[in-house]
Amino acid sequence: GAVVSQHPSRVICKSGTSVKIECRSLDFQATTMFWYRQFPKQSLMLMATSNEGSKATYEQGVEKDKFLINHASLTLSTLTVTSAHPEDSSFYICSARVTVDGRLQPQHFGDGTRLSIL
Amino acid sequence: EDQVTQSPEALRLQEGESSSLNCSYTVSGLRGLFWYRQDPGKGPEFLFTLYSAGEEKEKERLKATLTKKESFLHITAPKPEDSATYLCAVQALSMSQGAQKLVFGQGTRLTINP
Repeated sequence: GAVVSQHPSRVICKSGTSVKIECRSLDFQATTMFWYRQFPKQSLMLMATSNEGSKATYEQGVEKDKFLINHASLTLSTLTVTSAHPEDSSFYICSARVTVDGRLQPQHFGDGTRLSIL
Repeated sequence: EDQVTQSPEALRLQEGESSSLNCSYTVSGLRGLFWYRQDPGKGPEFLFTLYSAGEEKEKERLKATLTKKESFLHITAPKPEDSATYLCAVQALSMSQGAQKLVFGQGTRLTINP
């Protein structure tokens, strides 16, 4: 159980293109989803926290107009990188957390999207 | 400020050579500590959650333990397929806006040689 699917796994596109990444919880409902960015040989950096039906909460230094997040349902969140430039090239990973009353549940991660902007 | 430090940064072992990875943390009240395994080019895979000091969890060759200041991931008689980066993360009891956040350590890159 607790499978998170992320699509696409790899994107190569030209500078100025907007790219949409989807994150789906396949066998559970996720009130909260998270978007991370990871640079080579570094740990995960949280970009934003996404709650279903409300605006995302962005971490300090993350441009909300650049990285648009939509969490329209309990099983789907999307990250759109608008007008992408080479410096946006990175590994983007989403996670989702099972909503259960009581004990804190772990975040379950997708397999990431490798974004390369030429 | 909540902080997580993992050591060593990298560890090479021979197949069958047991060892431990360390995760030291400083948080304003621990809500939970998580261990993940990450293979190259993949997202982290959940291993364990520990909630309070003294708690232990086990899965195959891995055993996670927790004290008030640190957690250990013990690996017994490892195999080459255990090679991966192991990440530790904590969630604090803080009621601030960032209460849902995980704070990750930098990870330990484990290599098991056949």
